Amino acid sequence: GQNIDQPTEMTATEGAIVQINCTYQTSGFNGLFWYQQHAGEAPTFLSYNVLDGLEEKGRFSSFLSRSKGYSYLLLKELQMKDSASYLCAVRDWVGNTDKLIFGTGTRLQVFP
Amino acid sequence: NAGVTQTPKFRVLKTGQSMTLLCAQDMNHEYMYWYRQDPGMGLRLIHYSVGEGTTAKGEVPDGYNVSRLKKQNFLLGLESAAPSQTSVYFCASRKGQLSYNEQFFGPGTRLTVL
Repeated sequence: GQNIDQPTEMTATEGAIVQINCTYQTSGFNGLFWYQQHAGEAPTFLSYNVLDGLEEKGRFSSFLSRSKGYSYLLLKELQMKDSASYLCAVRDWVGNTDKLIFGTGTRLQVFP
Repeated sequence: NAGVTQTPKFRVLKTGQSMTLLCAQDMNHEYMYWYRQDPGMGLRLIHYSVGEGTTAKGEVPDGYNVSRLKKQNFLLGLESAAPSQTSVYFCASRKGQLSYNEQFFGPGTRLTVL
């Protein structure tokens, strides 16, 4: 079956670094996405990993280990506007198509 | 480009009423999706379409129907609304089947069924 786990809530201080972990179990892994979702808004794309290793994009980085079924999102130099939910999603081949399976999201609160 | 738009933004229905949610995208994307988001449940796929004239069931299709008569539009119908369908509904589109093609989401429709 398919399963994605990530922590429900995290807190951090402005200017700090935070790492949000995601573990997954899928049968037909075809890539992992991170989305940011501010309260009351739509999810927006942050990053994509399909090969093992680190992808860096400004203050955000995402890491993937396919053998461990593990990813993390690293947020550096935290700002108040980073307070949001972060959704881990795995693209999984099922039958003859692929579907994006979402975790329940990690709500990050950044304090001054 | 407006991206992905959804109509309406908010709606309150009584049990048994019907309604249609409209999703439109102006990016010429092939794939379109309907999700619902409930507290503690994450985004769950209702129905999806891999091209004009095609639709398929997702994880939670019961109580919903969809149509994709035009490439840019994807309609979600509730024939007889139930309180369990109170949720936030998101539409998304994706350019094609390449694995790195991300999904772009609409702003959501907040539906309450009394």
